[in-house]
Parts: sequence; C-alpha cells; structure tokens
Amino acid sequence: DVKVTQSSRYLVKRTGEKVFLECVQDMDHENMFWYRQDPGLGLRLIYFSYDVKMKEKGDIPEGYSVSREKKERFSLILESASTNQTSMYLCASRLLGQGWHEQYFGPGTRLTVT
Amino acid sequence: GENVEQHPSTLSVQEGDSAVIKCTYSDSASNYFPWYKQELGKRPQLIIDIRSNVGEKKDQRIAVTLNKTAKHFSLHITETQPEDSAVYFCAASTILSSYDKVIFGPGTSLSVIP
Repeated sequence: DVKVTQSSRYLVKRTGEKVFLECVQDMDHENMFWYRQDPGLGLRLIYFSYDVKMKEKGDIPEGYSVSREKKERFSLILESASTNQTSMYLCASRLLGQGWHEQYFGPGTRLTVT
Repeated sequence: GENVEQHPSTLSVQEGDSAVIKCTYSDSASNYFPWYKQELGKRPQLIIDIRSNVGEKKDQRIAVTLNKTAKHFSLHITETQPEDSAVYFCAASTILSSYDKVIFGPGTSLSVIP
C-alpha cells in the first residue's frame, strides 16, 4: 500500500518566516509534486521533480523553492512566507514507466500565515 | 498555457439520480485524463482514467467519455449514493517518456441528497 506522508497537518507561521514543508513516500516513486489547493481554483502545481535532484517549475512557482536530495523526500520551501501563501498544500508521488500514471496524494498541510 | 475547465462548480442531485461533470482541455497533445475524488478532509484519490485511444470507459456506476476532436471529456455517475458526495477533479496530461505535467480542473462539489 502506497504511503505518502507530510510532516504537519496544520501549521501557523508569521509573515517573513522561512517555512519548510516535508513530503515522504515509501514506494520508490520517481516523480513527486507539490500543489496548493484553494477554493474554486482546484489543484495548482507549484513544482515537480521527476527524479532525484531534478526539479521543474509548475504553474505558480513564485515565492517557493524545492529540494529533492533523496528519492523518497521532496521538500517545499517558502523563503519568506506571506499571507497570500495561506493555503492547503498537497504533496503527491507517482511511479512511471509501467503504463500506470496514478498520483498518490499525501494528507495535506494546512498552512496559515499571519 | 495549458488549461482545463470544469463545469459545473457545484452540483446537487437526489439519491438514485445520475450526475454528469464536464471538462474541456486546451492542449491538443493531451492523451491521458484521470478523475480524482476528494472527500471532505481527505486526500484526492484516483477513481477512473481514460487514454486518448479510447472513447469510453466504465467501472461499475462510473463512466468516463472522451471526445478528442472537441477536446471534451465527462464523468458520469449513475444511481448516485450519499457516499458519492465529494469534490471531483478532472485532469489532463501528456504522457511522455519519464515526465509529464498534470493540469487539474477547478473541481466540482457534488452533493447527493438522501
């Protein structure tokens, strides 16, 4: 059973703080993704990584960076948190190469920036 | 850039009736169309998907149809039950060799009234 975990379910940070969101998957998946979910906007891709140390910008990368030093872990970094980054953040992973493209999502981190 | 539109944004049906959610996509190269269901407070989970070489796919009470010419695809749920109440996301992607980006629609909140 695939498991994708995120370091926190709820997080409250102050404006200007550096914030780290961690995601870990235990199925040796090559691809990992970070989305933010806001009402009426669906899931918007921030960054994705198709392999270790590889990263690509998604649709809304501004204000974010990522790190993928190990295959199982994909970190999202808010360099200087702002109130408009208050959102639900979802991590996902996916195994490719076998004709199967299902993304497995983590439980989400609800981040509030005050 | 690539875009996926989804309608309606909210949908209420009586238990036992059918529900239809429609999506359109902009990238003619898209060839894989998954649907995810997200129950309240839970993570999105894949419920059905379709590839561009297939016009329709069924799985029990759920079916998806694809019209590549019109760039439309739809989710059909028959004999709806209260447990079908959730937010449904359509998505479109272009399956390449080892990396592709998944574009999600904004979501449809389905309520099934007992």
